[in-house]
Amino acid sequence: NAGVTQTPKFQVLKTGQSMTLQCAQDMNHEYMSWYRQDPGMGLRLIHYSVGAGITDQGEVPNGYNVSRSTTEDFPLRLLSAAPSQTSVYFCASSSDRGYGNTIYFGEGSWLTVV
Amino acid sequence: KQEVTQIPAALSVPEGENLVLNCSFTDSAIYNLQWFRQDPGKGLTSLLLIQSSQREQTSGRLNASLDKSSGRSTLYIAASQPGDSATYLCAVTGDAGNMLTFGGGTRLMVKP
Repeated sequence: NAGVTQTPKFQVLKTGQSMTLQCAQDMNHEYMSWYRQDPGMGLRLIHYSVGAGITDQGEVPNGYNVSRSTTEDFPLRLLSAAPSQTSVYFCASSSDRGYGNTIYFGEGSWLTVV
Repeated sequence: KQEVTQIPAALSVPEGENLVLNCSFTDSAIYNLQWFRQDPGKGLTSLLLIQSSQREQTSGRLNASLDKSSGRSTLYIAASQPGDSATYLCAVTGDAGNMLTFGGGTRLMVKP
């Protein structure tokens, strides 16, 4: 019963490097999203997807790229890492857009940009 | 733009106390409100979901209420236990069905 799986759990990047945070879910959910969590600011939506081939921007999309080629996977790409992107990243999935069904979160990816 | 605020930011209580966590939101045009629990180093676990047409939801020792018109929700925890120690976050779904807008969380510590 994997649920939502994120990799890597921890990562240190140098400024300017690129990397991809992986997210996979095994619940056949249509809706997937990426959030970042910063101290005292709660979680903020980066990008989301309502199905394979469809993505859209959230509240803080700059510096991030996403794609959704399959229902299961929703990777988040950092194009050129900056110290401001040091954060904890959470991937989430649900069977709807949040109207009434439970949203499931991964355990998070801790990213430090030096 | 929707803003969600949680008060207090941190709370420490002795075991056995009943407690109330508060959540307020600026735009009452919400579809639902959810309360989540987050343990250190972990993801979020959904505790309760209240639809905009509902006034409250209960699960075990937890009771969440929603006053949509005043933009407020409370999470009531009865007979608190050390295992309740965690960060509690509330989040609202906008009327357009967009993804969640979160509050900053309340960090709860229940002392034995």
